[in-house]
Amino acid sequence: GAVVSQHPSWVICKSGTSVKIECRSLDFQATTMFWYRQFPKQSLMLMATSNEGSKATYEQGVEKDKFLINHASLTLSTLTVTSAHPEDSSFYICSAREGVDPNEQYFGPGTRLTVT
Amino acid sequence: AQSVAQPEDQVNVAEGNPLTVKCTYSVSGNPYLFWYVQYPNRGLQFLLKYITGDNLVKGRYGFEAEFNKSQTSFHLKKPSALVSDSALYFCADSTLTFGKGTMLLVSP
Repeated sequence: GAVVSQHPSWVICKSGTSVKIECRSLDFQATTMFWYRQFPKQSLMLMATSNEGSKATYEQGVEKDKFLINHASLTLSTLTVTSAHPEDSSFYICSAREGVDPNEQYFGPGTRLTVT
Repeated sequence: AQSVAQPEDQVNVAEGNPLTVKCTYSVSGNPYLFWYVQYPNRGLQFLLKYITGDNLVKGRYGFEAEFNKSQTSFHLKKPSALVSDSALYFCADSTLTFGKGTMLLVSP
């Protein structure tokens, strides 16, 4: 099956700094990528949807200036958490889709962010 | 609008016993429904999906799910649970809006 990778798998950063998380589709072209956030023992909450070459569409309540999403190519999307705070500590999961069919959406392994 | 609901936060079952993890849906039209599993500190893994056709869908790792239109349910089942099945299970709809998740704990 299709593979989606994320890098890094975990990261610790200091409060006030920025951190970038990469999401790559390894064997298919992802026209659409999704970023989710998951708090411990809770469901995934969709943060934003990005189409290659376009600005990301953010879900209500998600600060677009804080969570910068770039989908510059068909195989790479990045999420940058700017001026991170401890409350941004979470598990961030990306997923990628080649077409419009939700059957063909694949998830990355996630990135654990801890802000100290 | 579409949504799914998982009424149980946690399900406990003994190894070897059958398990059921519940999911109900509310959609207009024909639903697409999915089940995913998440092991600790890992991303989601696709288990199975219902699009159309047979109401009993077979998926990975011996899991299956039964689509029941009259009860608007899509419960996940396995005839004989394994300790290694212990994980967090999510039901999702066609927009990949996820239920809150159900923790399955299988005891030896």
